[in-house]
Amino acid sequence: EPEVTQTPSHQVTQMGQEVILRCVPISNHLYFYWYRQILGQKVEFLVSFYNNEISEKSEIFDDQFSVERPDGSNFTLKIRSTKLEDSAMYFCASSLQLSYNEQFFGPGTRLTVL
Amino acid sequence: QQQVKQSPQSLIVQKGGISIINCAYENTAFDYFPWYQQFPGKGPALLIAIRPDVSEKKEGRFTISFNKSAKQFSLHIMDSQPGDSATYFCAASDTGNQFYFGTGTSLTVIP
Repeated sequence: EPEVTQTPSHQVTQMGQEVILRCVPISNHLYFYWYRQILGQKVEFLVSFYNNEISEKSEIFDDQFSVERPDGSNFTLKIRSTKLEDSAMYFCASSLQLSYNEQFFGPGTRLTVL
Repeated sequence: QQQVKQSPQSLIVQKGGISIINCAYENTAFDYFPWYQQFPGKGPALLIAIRPDVSEKKEGRFTISFNKSAKQFSLHIMDSQPGDSATYFCAASDTGNQFYFGTGTSLTVIP
């Protein structure tokens, strides 16, 4: 069964450093998403991406964040200058269509900012 | 602003019992309501979803009840099993793009 994969599974970084979280969505999917989940809290939407551009983003997704699909398979989330409060589990998701369509989530990357 | 409110925060049910998790929303533009199941160390996985044109949807032991006028929907797990022990998130969407998740319910099914 096709699945979304994410690397690394755990990333530890110093405050102020840049991090890139990587995702490989399901191959025939067209819509890509990043969510985050602070420990013990709800899953929060960050951004959606379609046709090589951002289609929607939340208030959390400020200028420190960027997304990119550098090739035909990878989808990345970059945090330019990490803050302590960026520590969270980051989930990538993808879907085949937009409306009423299942978003398939990856296993997540745990980001720890020291 | 909390778009989707979920309760209870945690739930303990005996094996074979019925687990009920409730969600409420404010935005009447929401038109897609999925439930996700999350096991520790894993990403959320779609369990069942409903659109507001029906009041109930059943898939195996899992049923969503939807009350459009009250802006509430709930997940019922019949004959709960220890393998159902997980965190359950309700969500809502108006564009299919951004999902607004509830705060999650930690379900423990006691053998």
